[in-house]
Amino acid sequence: DAGITQSPRHKVTETGTPVTLRCHQTENHRYMYWYRQDPGHGLRLIHYSYGVKDTDKGEVSDGYSVSRSKTEDFLLTLESATSSQTSVYFCAISLGTDTDTQYFGPGTRLTVL
Amino acid sequence: KQEVTQIPAALSVPEGENLVLNCSFTDSAIYNLQWFRQDPGKGLTSLLLIQSSQREQTSGRLNASLDKSSGRSTLYIAASQPGDSATYLCAVLDSNYQLIWGAGTKLIIKP
Repeated sequence: DAGITQSPRHKVTETGTPVTLRCHQTENHRYMYWYRQDPGHGLRLIHYSYGVKDTDKGEVSDGYSVSRSKTEDFLLTLESATSSQTSVYFCAISLGTDTDTQYFGPGTRLTVL
Repeated sequence: KQEVTQIPAALSVPEGENLVLNCSFTDSAIYNLQWFRQDPGKGLTSLLLIQSSQREQTSGRLNASLDKSSGRSTLYIAASQPGDSATYLCAVLDSNYQLIWGAGTKLIIKP
């Protein structure tokens, strides 16, 4: 399972509150990704990281920020959650380069009321 | 903008049948195409990765093909089993090194 954990696994919050999701890996892989999955849309890339303090935006980055201060942790923050951010969030890593296959964490189900 | 489409959205077949899942993409400038499996309430599991220079990849009862010029890929599952029931997703790695995903095909294998 490539040693990926996500926390929390489930969260219910209210509109306007900040939320931080954590992705943790145990094997010091360089590339890490945050996706969201919504019915009918497949997965969409939010942000990704190619090393400590090196991050970039994906397709749907508005309303999200990320940080990576250590190789093993990649944090996704919703500064002020909105109902449109209700989704399942997946973290992934690439074992080698950014063209290698990706391995996914178990997901976090976030509900914004 | 790259778009990935999977048809049908759902498929139900009797156990033992061979079946084909389809994936199409609009831009042939890809690095690779990947097939994943997702079980309900769980993460995704990588099944096969086909490099842009390859035509097919095989793993056990699974065979994936790639025709980059026509923007198509198929996932062939031989001798289907109830344990194959899951949602199958394809994704292409585009020229920006980002995975672009289809919405998936939900497969049900009836015992």
